[in-house]
Amino acid sequence: DSGVTQTPKHLITATGQRVTLRCSPRSGDLSVYWYQQSLDQGLQFLIQYYNGEERAKGNILERFSAQQFPDLHSELNLSSLELGDSALYFCASSSGTPRGTDTQYFGPGTRLTVL
Amino acid sequence: AQSVTQLDSHVSVSEGTPVLLRCNYSSSYSPSLFWYVQHPNKGLQLLLKYTSAATLVKGINGFEAEFKKSETSFHLTKPSAHMSDAAEYFCVVSDRRNFNKFYFGSGTKLNVKP
Repeated sequence: DSGVTQTPKHLITATGQRVTLRCSPRSGDLSVYWYQQSLDQGLQFLIQYYNGEERAKGNILERFSAQQFPDLHSELNLSSLELGDSALYFCASSSGTPRGTDTQYFGPGTRLTVL
Repeated sequence: AQSVTQLDSHVSVSEGTPVLLRCNYSSSYSPSLFWYVQHPNKGLQLLLKYTSAATLVKGINGFEAEFKKSETSFHLTKPSAHMSDAAEYFCVVSDRRNFNKFYFGSGTKLNVKP
């Protein structure tokens, strides 16, 4: 158990809908990362937050948004869902230290199915 | 700029034989390097990490990796494969000078034959 929790584990929804995925980082970790993993695209980095602020952006669509709250949990919002958004969505956390070694720990993921 | 290349997308070995998963990195600075394992429909689990201490790093489940700066490699090895090792493995490099941005390889799927 990495200490990173994600809810829900599974989500089935229809095209055009909006969903919210939730992540709680390990105790003491300030940084949260979101990743999308699909069969055709592999593991894609979406976005990183550090202590409530956006730190880095990857291949995140404009229909997707995220935020990190004062208690450090994070939510990933996916809107106007398309069939191609079906994937595993992972959250990872790290201490977020700007220098020296930092290590990411991954949650179990949320499997999103868009029908 | 940092980057990671996993040289094999698929590796197949027989149970009880050695495992070698290859990873080359590009880094303009002394990097941190990691190997993660992902079993089907599971999250990524940290196997081991290199952080500029010993160049031979031991991880969980009998895996180890050796940092070779001259070859810019960080290959993952295990002396004897077990059926439970069948999974996908990711090599990752981070830039310790640049807010630890992480760069993932494309993954290597390990198949273990009985």
